[in-house]
Amino acid sequence: AQSVTQLGSHVSVSEGALVLLRCNYSSSVPPYLFWYVQYPNQGLQLLLKYTTGATLVKGINGFEAEFKKSETSFHLTKPSAHMSDAAEYFCAVSALNAGGTSYGKLTFGQGTILTVHP
Amino acid sequence: GAVVSQHPSRVICKSGTSVKIECRSLDFQATTMFWYRQFPKQSLMLMATSNEGSKATYEQGVEKDKFLINHASLTLSTLTVTSAHPEDSSFYICSARDRRLSVTGELFFGEGSRLTVL
Repeated sequence: AQSVTQLGSHVSVSEGALVLLRCNYSSSVPPYLFWYVQYPNQGLQLLLKYTTGATLVKGINGFEAEFKKSETSFHLTKPSAHMSDAAEYFCAVSALNAGGTSYGKLTFGQGTILTVHP
Repeated sequence: GAVVSQHPSRVICKSGTSVKIECRSLDFQATTMFWYRQFPKQSLMLMATSNEGSKATYEQGVEKDKFLINHASLTLSTLTVTSAHPEDSSFYICSARDRRLSVTGELFFGEGSRLTVL
């Protein structure tokens, strides 16, 4: 079974400051990893994903994340926060079958609410 | 990017009535769709996996007779909450898996439907 832990249910930063949202996963094999963002009363929008290849992945809106297998982590960062980044962020993993393809089910972390202060 | 449309976005109904929520993939074919439920300030809970042309697979603890899922075509899945009660009030989100991206397991999410049962 796999699981996802997001450290910190709430993160507050000042506008222009570094954003760091932490995500650790537990999986018997390296999974595919995703970060989604959710604005109030809306669905989820994909920020970025890691499947294979380069461990540092860049996403939309200036976000990036680095897959660290040794630490089983996939932390999300953005060098300079903007007011529009205020939202809830979810880390998710997708289990792989023996053939290396995804089952399609995602397991989500508990979510981290990002607040950006002027 | 792929678009998933969910309708209605908000619905208020009386206790005992049934409510249908539609999930459509607008520009891709989705052999698999997933239905999630999200309680306030919590993560997404997978309710069921909907496969085109076959019965849905429900997660443990989800009543299949209460939450009827139909996936009649490659672009449409419906969730019907039967005999709704106030405790069914929640935010329901669907997601779809693009068959062309089945290897990575990436999901595209609808905008969500907020159900309020009076």
